[in-house]
Amino acid sequence: DAKTTQPPSMDCAEGRAANLPCNHSTISGNEYVYWYRQIHSQGPQYIIHGLKNNETNEMASLIITEDRKSSTLILPHATLRDTAVYYCIVGEGTGGGADGLTFGKGTHLIIQP
Amino acid sequence: GAVVSQHPSWVICKSGTSVKIECRSLDFQATTMFWYRQFPKQSLMLMATSNEGSKATYEQGVEKDKFLINHASLTLSTLTVTSAHPEDSSFYICSARGDTETQYFGPGTRLLVL
Repeated sequence: DAKTTQPPSMDCAEGRAANLPCNHSTISGNEYVYWYRQIHSQGPQYIIHGLKNNETNEMASLIITEDRKSSTLILPHATLRDTAVYYCIVGEGTGGGADGLTFGKGTHLIIQP
Repeated sequence: GAVVSQHPSWVICKSGTSVKIECRSLDFQATTMFWYRQFPKQSLMLMATSNEGSKATYEQGVEKDKFLINHASLTLSTLTVTSAHPEDSSFYICSARGDTETQYFGPGTRLLVL
């Protein structure tokens, strides 16, 4: 079973910030939080990941709570092309083994024009 | 950077035939590659993990004799679906990981077995 809980769907207006929550209350100390998204009929696209600190890249920001039990992915200015299923996944990095990722059902984010 | 390709992007075959799918990391060396399968309206399910030069590790319920995985180089892994049947029709996706914590996914291969 997936170790994360996400809302099944969310709407966001184009141009606004999209904030996608994720709960991972059983995360262990060496597990990262990864975010991927999947646009229909394509392979998942890597967005961002973090361990303890907040992270930002050209696509998004990742806010991780201090206790690491939840996180929020922020798309600062959503566009129609951001409509996709967003997956929040916890997993170990290279130091912790070679496990594949366990995908849950994700959040279907729909950007409204 | 971190581009993963798959070939073919889609394939249609007759029941009983074998199909080979290639996964390549184009701009990095992938010490570990993963194979996933996704049925319609479902999430990705991990099938197997392969490390270059060693035998693949299969997830519970995945038949290793049916889904043959070869990871002969640091940039190429292949998945062969042997004696394919209609229930094997699915979206097969590979991912690759080098020396960072991140897996990068290929675009997927859609298999239809008639």
